[in-house]
Amino acid sequence: DAGITQSPRYKITETGRQVTLMCHQTWSHSYMFWYRQDLGHGLRLIYYSAAADITDKGEVPDGYVVSRSKTENFPLTLESATRSQTSVYFCASSSGLAGVLEQYFGPGTRLTVT
Amino acid sequence: GQQLNQSPQSMFIQEGEDVSMNCTSSSIFNTWLWYKQDPGEGPVLLIALYKAGELTSNGRLTAQFGITRKDSFLNISASIPSDVGIYFCAGEDNYGQNFVFGPGTRLSVLP
Repeated sequence: DAGITQSPRYKITETGRQVTLMCHQTWSHSYMFWYRQDLGHGLRLIYYSAAADITDKGEVPDGYVVSRSKTENFPLTLESATRSQTSVYFCASSSGLAGVLEQYFGPGTRLTVT
Repeated sequence: GQQLNQSPQSMFIQEGEDVSMNCTSSSIFNTWLWYKQDPGEGPVLLIALYKAGELTSNGRLTAQFGITRKDSFLNISASIPSDVGIYFCAGEDNYGQNFVFGPGTRLSVLP
């Protein structure tokens, strides 16, 4: 019963490089989300997906790309990483049966862009 | 966009004390939820509220959905060291249309 997993847990990359953060859930939840967490800003929604092949922008989507070809996976790509994208990234999923906010979060990926 | 305000931003309490925190919005929400984030981990859902005036408990935690639908409250009784963490409120208006997390209240419990 893996639940929701994220990989890698820690990543250091250089400015301008492409980075992909992976998220996998085993519950077949319809909804999946990507958040970034910075000190003083709480959780800010980057992108979310209501189902496979359906994605929508959140509050801070610039500089990020997502895809969802399979229900269980929701990768987040930083096409050209910048220092301002140094953050902790959380993936979450929800069945949507009781509203989308009953979410299960992964353990997070701590990304540092040098 | 919609924003939630949480107060206090941080608090230091003695073990055994009761804790109160709240979450407010200028908009009406149909759902309020409270999450807790332990250091180094992802948030975990504590309590979900779906009806104005609703009062729900989960062990030592009690949360209320404000009757104006613009606020929610979380109380923790008899705090213990493992209560340390960040408590987030979250609100959702129309189903799946708009949802937002608050900035969090950071709780420290002193032995």
